[in-house]
Formats: sequence, C-alpha cells, structure tokens
Amino acid sequence: DAGVIQSPRHEVTEMGQEVTLRCKPISGHNSLFWYRQTMMRGLELLIYFNNNVPIDDSGMPEDRFSAKMPNASFSTLKIQPSEPRDSAVYFCASSSVWGATEAFFGQGTRLTVV
Amino acid sequence: GENVEQHPSTLSVQEGDSAVIKCTYSDSASNYFPWYKQELGKRPQLIIDIRSNVGEKKDQRIAVTLNKTAKHFSLHITETQPEDSAVYFCAASRGYSTLTFGKGTMLLVSP
Repeated sequence: DAGVIQSPRHEVTEMGQEVTLRCKPISGHNSLFWYRQTMMRGLELLIYFNNNVPIDDSGMPEDRFSAKMPNASFSTLKIQPSEPRDSAVYFCASSSVWGATEAFFGQGTRLTVV
Repeated sequence: GENVEQHPSTLSVQEGDSAVIKCTYSDSASNYFPWYKQELGKRPQLIIDIRSNVGEKKDQRIAVTLNKTAKHFSLHITETQPEDSAVYFCAASRGYSTLTFGKGTMLLVSP
C-alpha cells in the first residue's frame, strides 16, 4: 500500500479564494482524521470520520471550514473563503481501529494564504 | 475530554547522552499511548506505543514507561545520535475515541 496520500503537497492561494485539500486513506482503514499543524498551536484535530461518518467536528475553527468523506477511499477538507491565518500544514491520517491503533499520516499539504 | 501535557518543549543533549520526555494525561480511561517522531518537513511517524496493561516497553534504544496511578508516561532515548534530532509527540486515547496529542518536544542532539 502506498500509505495515506494527500494532494496537493503545496498550495499558495490568495485571501478569499476557495481551497480544497484531498486525502486518500490506506485501504481497509475505517477511521480518518484531519489535523492542522502550526508552530503556535501544534497538532490540532479538526475533524474525524469513522466508517465515512463525521464523528466530531468540534475542532473545525469556523464555518469557513468543511469536510466530507463521500466514500471509504476519499475525503476533502475545504476552506471557503480562505484567510492568511489559515496558513498551516494540514495532515490527513487514517487508522484501522479508531483510537486504539497506530494512526498513519499523509505527507501533508502546506497551505499558504497571501 | 482528554488533555495531554508534554514537557519539556525543547531538549538539547550531547551525542551519547540519554533523553527523557514526559507526558501527563487527564482521562483515567485512556488506555493507548503512542509516541510519534516528526523530522523537519516530514510527517509524524509512530516510533513506539504502549497500552495500559503494560508498565514498560522497549525497542532497541527507545523505551516508554507508563504510570497509570499518576497518569503519566515517558519516552526514554539512550545513546542519542544526531539523527534522533526531531520533534517528538506523545498522545493518549481511550479507544473508540480520537488521539489527543501533546504540544511536542523538539530534541536537538549535538555531535
């Protein structure tokens, strides 16, 4: 398996634009997590899905953020409209047993909003 | 919910010395405690984990200890090498819930 795959690796966009980050979890994993990493706040959990169902989105900072998981092999995180303070590295991770086994991280998407 | 505190935030050691990173957790029901290593510009990767039915686990130069009564766990790295330089994250989970991460410790190993 190629591991968790995220795209794009880097994204530079102008303030106010819509940004969509994509994630393909490891096949067979039924839990998917979206994290945001910044120097100031560390690794923050934004939202997680179990069996494609959003379980807890309390970490989503604002209504500008939304996430979907239409099937077991694909998830998106959308920011609309984007703001400079959204600049961060966004990681997607998946695991086979929710919270009880290793979470495998993708390589991340470095988002810069100018 | 779970709260994980991690100390120190930075740790500098000489090559060959030992390094210890400590974490405390708040939820007494937590039963899974992984440690992740993140090298600069890379993704976090699991290096060792421990479950609540075990007090200590070793894997070559790294070991983790768990004190359930005190609700703290620690990562021990012996004979540190420059390639151990990275940010280390502890985490806690009670299964069927998400991992809660500590803020991370930047370990710098000087040759």
